[in-house]
Amino acid sequence: QQQVKQSPQSLIVQKGGISIINCAYENTAFDYFPWYQQFPGKGPALLIAIRPDVSEKKEGRFTISFNKSAKQFSLHIMDSQPGDSATYFCAAKPPSAGGTSYGKLTFGQGTILTVHP
Amino acid sequence: GAGVSQSPSNKVTEKGKDVELRCDPISGHTALYWYRQSLGQGLEFLIYFQGNSAPDKSGLPSDRFSAERTGGSVSTLTIQRTQQEDSAVYLCASSLRFQGYVNTEAFFGQGTRLTVV
Repeated sequence: QQQVKQSPQSLIVQKGGISIINCAYENTAFDYFPWYQQFPGKGPALLIAIRPDVSEKKEGRFTISFNKSAKQFSLHIMDSQPGDSATYFCAAKPPSAGGTSYGKLTFGQGTILTVHP
Repeated sequence: GAGVSQSPSNKVTEKGKDVELRCDPISGHTALYWYRQSLGQGLEFLIYFQGNSAPDKSGLPSDRFSAERTGGSVSTLTIQRTQQEDSAVYLCASSLRFQGYVNTEAFFGQGTRLTVV
């Protein structure tokens, strides 16, 4: 019930195209859904995040779409650029007393995105 | 420092030896997390410290793993009698204490790559 399943494992997109990465979860108590971006040799960095009371959140070229009834959420990268080539992780946070554990996350398996110039 | 600092960046150890991994969180961050990232896998939560509260050890895979946080700042993850399956990148993250609905992003260090031979 704590799993977050992410797909695809790898994705190749041409420059200017749209990259779409999908995640599905089972625990309906999850209350925070971040996406992290990780470059080789670096730690993950928060890219964008959403709460389950919102269906979509957009920040620049990055959009999260959230479907609460289907227990799915996705990351859309518009006008993909070679600099977006990285590994992307979706994650989910269980509720916790006091709400202090924003870093205690269940991560998906990751998607390696390659954007060709 | 400006970010989460981990040392060493790489560690090669012989099977059966003990290792200690160090994490210096961002100054002022009260929450500290340890994760393990195995090759091609997502991040696996290990342990979480919040201020002076008892740590959440629910992710530690065996009693060979332990962690402590001294003075509410620096943390050390210790793996005793290392096994080859312990080979992974160990990531540390820190965050501010949650207040209201303000997101308190978890900032990750670059990790320690542990290789057990």
